[in-house]
Amino acid sequence: ETGVTQTPRHLVMGMTNKKSLKCEQHLGHNAMYWYKQSAKKPLELMFVYSLEERVENNSVPSRFSPECPNSSHLFLHLHTLQPEDSALYLCASSQDEGEGTEAFFGQGTRLTVV
Amino acid sequence: GQNIDQPTEMTATEGAIVQINCTYQTSGFNGLFWYQQHAGEAPTFLSYNVLDGLEEKGRFSSFLSRSKGYSYLLLKELQMKDSASYLCAVMHAGNNRKLIWGLGTSLAVNP
Repeated sequence: ETGVTQTPRHLVMGMTNKKSLKCEQHLGHNAMYWYKQSAKKPLELMFVYSLEERVENNSVPSRFSPECPNSSHLFLHLHTLQPEDSALYLCASSQDEGEGTEAFFGQGTRLTVV
Repeated sequence: GQNIDQPTEMTATEGAIVQINCTYQTSGFNGLFWYQQHAGEAPTFLSYNVLDGLEEKGRFSSFLSRSKGYSYLLLKELQMKDSASYLCAVMHAGNNRKLIWGLGTSLAVNP
């Protein structure tokens, strides 16, 4: 496989459930990101990891918990979510050096909280 | 504050040329990206501009004017497969990892 792969592609969960989103990149990049994409809103950066260390956390509620065990894998652990958390969650990676380094995105996980 | 403006929707005809504009107001600037996103798919990188001027890449070109806080994406010889959302994003100065995104322009190409 190449590129950035996210699983699952679709997820429906209740507000009391716990689930995890998985992202894997095969590009040799050393930075990985979680974004939230909601209808009629710009892409929202949630978390950034560089060399497996979290470097950005944009005031995301604690019901979202990221984990980066190595530079190729990124998880987003979800618990006690709210219906407004329903969105497309996108993972991305980039080579974390220099300017103009474009991000490569996965196809996303479409999350519905019921 | 930080703000990126793009038209919400545009329509064009197959074979024609379309220009998608993006204006930005940010506290710092370290380059501007254009991404394409087909419905239900991942955004894919189209272009990056950091200096003023036009960058051409096949049927797609991107222009930047830093003094005006303005960019456009030019699509030539439109094809049906170009129907997608086009996202403008500005890279924040001093932090290469932070992009400020526009809402995207949904382009419909009609036969």
